[in-house]
Amino acid sequence: QKEVEQDPGPLSVPEGAIVSLNCTYSNSAFQYFMWYRQYSRKGPELLMYTYSSGNKEDGRFTAQVDKSSKYISLFIRDSQPSDSATYLCAMSSNTDKLIFGTGTRLQVFP
Amino acid sequence: NAGVMQNPRHLVRRRGQEARLRCSPMKGHSHVYWYRQLPEEGLKFMVYLQKENIIDESGMPKERFSAEFPKEGPSILRIQQVVRGDSAAYFCASSSSPAYEQYFGPGTRLTVT
Repeated sequence: QKEVEQDPGPLSVPEGAIVSLNCTYSNSAFQYFMWYRQYSRKGPELLMYTYSSGNKEDGRFTAQVDKSSKYISLFIRDSQPSDSATYLCAMSSNTDKLIFGTGTRLQVFP
Repeated sequence: NAGVMQNPRHLVRRRGQEARLRCSPMKGHSHVYWYRQLPEEGLKFMVYLQKENIIDESGMPKERFSAEFPKEGPSILRIQQVVRGDSAAYFCASSSSPAYEQYFGPGTRLTVT
């Protein structure tokens, strides 16, 4: 079993839709949770960074962490074609190495 | 306000040659991390360095791979005697503290022919 599981998609939605992306994990020691966006052949871009459980909002993005269920989510409101990319969840326990999911490919069509 | 810089962006090596990948962290960051991304796979941690020290190399293959972050200059990831299986995208990330966010560079795409 992988430490971090993420549905690879692809997820295809119309412009303006609310997108929900999720990861589950098995290591209860994880405390730091991140979402990155990666465009094709580019480096990952940090979108959200949260510590422990709870919600965090930044513009159209909301990150949720439920440590009791070992489940994290990223919601994208009013999705745009420019949001089309691969979304990677990442987490760590002792703040050095990040453990990544395999990424979910999102396609937002006009 | 330069971000994390990596060079070269693309590197082609024949089997048996050496590959050197360079990473300059963001200004003010003294923590550097290297990750490898194989086609259709997620990023895998390789090594974590601070200036002149290797902190965690648990993800580094035991042979042919080495990393350094000297007092002056960029961090270097060195792969000796490359094989086809080393073909991948290598990403460097930096942070200002182990507890803080990691910011990634654009990556070096290594192709071994």
